[in-house]
Amino acid sequence: GENVGLHLPTLSVQEGDNSIINCAYSNSASDYFIWYKQESGKGPQFIIDIRSNMDKRQGQRVTVLLNKTVKHLSLQIAATQPGDSAVYFCAEGGFSGGYNKLIFGAGTRLAVHP
Amino acid sequence: GAVVSQHPSWVICKSGTSVKIECRSLDFQATTMFWYRQFPKQSLMLMATSNEGSKATYEQGVEKDKFLINHASLTLSTLTVTSAHPEDSSFYICSARAGTGISNQPQHFGDGTRLSIL
Repeated sequence: GENVGLHLPTLSVQEGDNSIINCAYSNSASDYFIWYKQESGKGPQFIIDIRSNMDKRQGQRVTVLLNKTVKHLSLQIAATQPGDSAVYFCAEGGFSGGYNKLIFGAGTRLAVHP
Repeated sequence: GAVVSQHPSWVICKSGTSVKIECRSLDFQATTMFWYRQFPKQSLMLMATSNEGSKATYEQGVEKDKFLINHASLTLSTLTVTSAHPEDSSFYICSARAGTGISNQPQHFGDGTRLSIL
């Protein structure tokens, strides 16, 4: 993913609807992908991860889809709740100098309206 | 489990001051810790990777003499911003991970330190 600068894209949804947050990653060699949730003034919180040998993984109310052909990752949140309002980042696991590190995407702000 | 604590959570200081930020893994041994910087409405940018007992690996463009990293134990890493200036004001976040090198262990993040330089 690329850091698009000062403007975070925002996804606005109604409480109870499903949310889909998308992410394009940059390195076709990345084999590990993670979604994080970041609330204001806090560090990122792990949501769900997926390895490149899978194309779908489900958690509690969340599903991650991976399309390696087009280097695309998505996070689906079912029955979105006000507490889901936050900034969501995808991260790809990269290898550099012997230490695998995370490269974060630009982030998407999810705003849930009652 | 897997709690990472950062201290302080907020610091305001005068230009020219050096500021130390601590990152502790409270319930696991963190052989690798990562330091990130995040500007408002932007993503996390990795600054450096540190392994316990060895020198940190800095990302391109990050001045190692400006941002001193010490990872002297398996539960503590420190980031010192030396001679801080207003442009160093940012949200600094650490993460910790068990295992070295290529590890399948996830990174656990602290809640960040907001640094404001006047």
